[in-house]
Amino acid sequence: GAVVSQHPSWVICKSGTSVKIECRSLDFQATTMFWYRQFPKQSLMLMATSNEGSKATYEQGVEKDKFLINHASLTLSTLTVTSAHPEDSSFYICSAENNDEKLFFGSGTQLSVL
Amino acid sequence: GENVEQHPSTLSVQEGDSAVIKCTYSDSASNYFPWYKQELGKRPQLIIDIRSNVGEKKDQRIAVTLNKTAKHFSLHITETQPEDSAVYFCAASPNSGGGADGLTFGKGTHLIIQP
Repeated sequence: GAVVSQHPSWVICKSGTSVKIECRSLDFQATTMFWYRQFPKQSLMLMATSNEGSKATYEQGVEKDKFLINHASLTLSTLTVTSAHPEDSSFYICSAENNDEKLFFGSGTQLSVL
Repeated sequence: GENVEQHPSTLSVQEGDSAVIKCTYSDSASNYFPWYKQELGKRPQLIIDIRSNVGEKKDQRIAVTLNKTAKHFSLHITETQPEDSAVYFCAASPNSGGGADGLTFGKGTHLIIQP
């Protein structure tokens, strides 16, 4: 089956620092990956679509300069939360589309900004 | 854009009974409809999906039905077990390619299986 690995699973940081989250497709190549934010007991909110070799496409209301996305290879996309603030605390989760056009999710990253 | 409505938000059923979760979508071009199960603190797992050229698909205790005319699709779980307790999300793809690109998710249904 398709496996998507996401690291770290949780991170605590001070306000003003930057945090990088990695999303890897382990057994398939993914030209497209997606980044979501999920609040407790709520649905997945798409933040951006990460495209290998090109700029990410951000959803309306998502600051591209704050949430930097780099899709450097067919198996790796990174999300960097720059100058994190307490309101950025959330569960961030990535997903990748395999060759059968099915979507598989990473295990998520719980970010807590103090 | 696509809009997916999911009902109910919470569903409590007795163990062994059936559970049905319903979703409607707005974009008639959507033709890929997956269902995901998410346990607390874990990743969403794809449990079943259906494409618009099929009206029904079954996998053991889980089935999905699709009515393209009415633009709604449903998840059916029979003989529910405690491990079925989780949040279930439906989704629809607005792209004619039928893949997972650009999925729009419903708000989720918290399924509770009462022993």
